[in-house]
Amino acid sequence: SQQGEEDPQALSIQEGENATMNCSYKTSINNLQWYRQNSGRGLVHLILIRSNEREKHSGRLRVTLDTSKKSSSLLITASRAADTASYFCATSQGGSEKLVFGKGTKLTVNP
Amino acid sequence: DAGVTQSPTHLIKTRGQHVTLRCSPISGHKSVSWYQQVLGQGPQFIFQYYEKEERGRGNFPDRFSARQFPNYSSELNVNALLLGDSALYLCASSWGLAGGPRGKFFGPGTRLTVL
Repeated sequence: SQQGEEDPQALSIQEGENATMNCSYKTSINNLQWYRQNSGRGLVHLILIRSNEREKHSGRLRVTLDTSKKSSSLLITASRAADTASYFCATSQGGSEKLVFGKGTKLTVNP
Repeated sequence: DAGVTQSPTHLIKTRGQHVTLRCSPISGHKSVSWYQQVLGQGPQFIFQYYEKEERGRGNFPDRFSARQFPNYSSELNVNALLLGDSALYLCASSWGLAGGPRGKFFGPGTRLTVL
């Protein structure tokens, strides 16, 4: 079953704009990760935020985590056409290292 | 260094057949996980192996099995294929059980079509 739910399901923006994607999950977590997937191929890890962290930055990426609301957001600033992809949040819980993915947000950045 | 490799890239089978998918992790990685991704959905966890032992199993029927070899490569086997098994099968590797701060490294996947 899916743990996370991304919102929106699809997002279309112009190059240079910021893109924000949200993720909600159901159970307590060890960490939350964001992955990117291009054209239905392999996933690429973007960023990991631990349950005791509230915000993390990596290049043009900013991730926030609110464990009280069981939610996270991914912000991509100054988007580029190459950012066009599907973005998934994934959580790991308890003693298990399996990742539980959401359904993803499909981002389209128009040149 | 080579990333995670998977073979074959694409595969077409008919219902009732058996399939074997293969995965080679990044050199030095001891953990391999398998995920199934149905079109339009996020990946779902099937198995995790670490040091050749099964360390986790998802909610999949017994038709799905896997193993890890001494060189840490892995095979996923699916028996008695059903139409619903059509999906992208992803392999992920990591040094330890946990993904660490860089998460898990995924291969390009094997696209299985069951007719």
